[in-house]
Amino acid sequence: EVQLVESGGGLVQPGRSLRLSCEASGFSFEDYAMHWVRQAPGKGLEWVSSINWNSRVIGYAGSVKGRFTISRDNAKKSLYLQMNSLRAEDTAFYYCAKDGAGKSYGYGYYYMDVWGEGATVTVSS
Amino acid sequence: VLTQSPGTLCLSPGERATLSCRASQIVSTNYLAWYQHKPGRAPRLLIYGVSSRATGIPDRFSGSGSGTDFTLTISRLEPEDFAVYYCQQYGSSPLSFGGGTKVEI
Repeated sequence: EVQLVESGGGLVQPGRSLRLSCEASGFSFEDYAMHWVRQAPGKGLEWVSSINWNSRVIGYAGSVKGRFTISRDNAKKSLYLQMNSLRAEDTAFYYCAKDGAGKSYGYGYYYMDVWGEGATVTVSS
Repeated sequence: VLTQSPGTLCLSPGERATLSCRASQIVSTNYLAWYQHKPGRAPRLLIYGVSSRATGIPDRFSGSGSGTDFTLTISRLEPEDFAVYYCQQYGSSPLSFGGGTKVEI
């Protein structure tokens, strides 16, 4: 069974940093791109960042570019999101998601076929 | 930008639901997906590539469209289908989601 488990969320003051982790199991992690998607309270889904299978193709939403860094460790089957200079508007539920396509389909990142249960990030003084 | 309409759809079990997703520019290679999201649950992939159903998705869910106009149809609503539905384009980066359509009783 494919599973994604996020950790590292919590309450943090504005301007501080937080690192989210996502541990994957049940599939060949190294063959798939991965994504971070968030949902702010009362809002819809917002794409945050994606990384392809070999970390060569990475993308960020404009709202987090320059502050957030996505990375992965294929040996540890883990995905990370380093969040710096956090703002109140970064308060959200953060989901880790597996790409549906796989490296045999293409070099980039596409859609999300399996999602974790999410982690809460609250930015407040 | 993806614009979903209507914002809310009020229907009864057994009725047909038609959800719209309009893109501000052509979605490359018809790279469009649909997701179902219920409160407190992880989102669930329904459709990818405009019309391909994801594994385990019942055939009452269908996707159609091309270019800039896409539709998710639920042929006969079941009680478990009442949720928020999002479209997502993956034809170009940045990826993006629509604002969502809430299907409620």
